[in-house]
Amino acid sequence: KAGVTQTPRYLIKTRGQQVTLSCSPISGHRSVSWYQQTPGQGLQFLFEYFSETQRNKGNFPGRFSGRQFSNSRSEMNVSTLELGDSALYLCASSFTGRQTDTQYFGPGTRLTVL
Amino acid sequence: AQSVTQLGSHVSVSEGALVLLRCNYSSSVPPYLFWYVQYPNQGLQLLLKYTTGATLVKGINGFEAEFKKSETSFHLTKPSAHMSDAAEYFCAVSFSGGYQKVTFGTGTKLQVIP
Repeated sequence: KAGVTQTPRYLIKTRGQQVTLSCSPISGHRSVSWYQQTPGQGLQFLFEYFSETQRNKGNFPGRFSGRQFSNSRSEMNVSTLELGDSALYLCASSFTGRQTDTQYFGPGTRLTVL
Repeated sequence: AQSVTQLGSHVSVSEGALVLLRCNYSSSVPPYLFWYVQYPNQGLQLLLKYTTGATLVKGINGFEAEFKKSETSFHLTKPSAHMSDAAEYFCAVSFSGGYQKVTFGTGTKLQVIP
């Protein structure tokens, strides 16, 4: 069974631009969560989607948004990029998104903002 | 609010020695607890999790952890370290009920000395 895939793996953008990251969950998984990982703040929860609906949201500004498609694939978008948005963005999928479900993580997209 | 504290951002052990990574949590309700491992340039992989039932949890790669409610701890141990265990380890907590919104600790980098 294929794992969680994230594209692209690496991305370089400049301040003020916007970016879209993509995540394809494991087949059959309907919940997709996004996390931001930085050396200073560690791993922080961004949001969680299930059946195209956002069910949970972390404490991030509105510049961070996401969506989920009917095939459970998810995208996250960051508008008006800031230097502090440089991070590894991780996507995780699970069957239902319940707390007891095991989350399977993708390899991440490393975003560098210049 | 839930939180996780990992004592020691860096831990060094000799190959064959006991591995002990410390994790304490703060939660006003029964927690779900997790340990993840992250190898360089990769996503996170679940080592083990505690949801309910037996407080001693066995995971992959010979790791185990014990949930101690009285000490609010969930320390990770492995009797004998291997070189391949060198990685970063994250303790995480979530609440029963609701959906994925996991809070991660700041991580502990494990170095294994030959």
